[in-house]
Amino acid sequence: NAGVTQTPKFRVLKTGQSMTLLCAQDMNHEYMYWYRQDPGMGLRLIHYSVGEGTTAKGEVPDGYNVSRLKKQNFLLGLESAAPSQTSVYFCASRRTGGSYNSPLHFGNGTRLTVT
Amino acid sequence: SQKIEQNSEALNIQEGKTATLTCNYTNYSPAYLQWYRQDPGRGPVFLLLIRENEKEKRKERLKVTFDTTLKQSLFHITASQPADSATYLCALDERGNTPLVFGKGTRLSVIA
Repeated sequence: NAGVTQTPKFRVLKTGQSMTLLCAQDMNHEYMYWYRQDPGMGLRLIHYSVGEGTTAKGEVPDGYNVSRLKKQNFLLGLESAAPSQTSVYFCASRRTGGSYNSPLHFGNGTRLTVT
Repeated sequence: SQKIEQNSEALNIQEGKTATLTCNYTNYSPAYLQWYRQDPGRGPVFLLLIRENEKEKRKERLKVTFDTTLKQSLFHITASQPADSATYLCALDERGNTPLVFGKGTRLSVIA
């Protein structure tokens, strides 16, 4: 099992450009999440999904869109990148959420720089 | 307002000693509390989970306590080794479909 795979690993964008980050999991997990991690800020939730075809906003959703067309994939889009979106992006998945005690499985991140 | 705080950004200890990391929270009612380890350039990796009705959980050299009255969890690594050097994150797991909320982490350095 590959677990959670994120592509690309690194990317440099110019302000105003767009891109899509791909997350794929092979564990048949229902729940998937996108976090960003910045120095001194910890992990902050951008968007998440509790099943195929569903998405919900997290703590810092502005400037991002997501789609979960297939259960195994969760895409994060930046329509018009800004320098404030320079960060490391982590995707995670879990079997179930809330009152069920399943841990998160994380990918190894995408390091994005917006100049 | 809701807050989750890990006691210090960085903690240095000598090899062989016990490392103790603290996670405090305000205005949350977690059903579970989870601890993760993160190495540089990698995603967090799950270590331990403790339920609200459990006082203590152990796994090899790791021990976690959970005090819902104090609203605090302690994470201990006994007989620490340089290989334990990493950032450790606590995360609160409330009931329902709400996602986990993470603390900012404590960077542990074990010095030989």
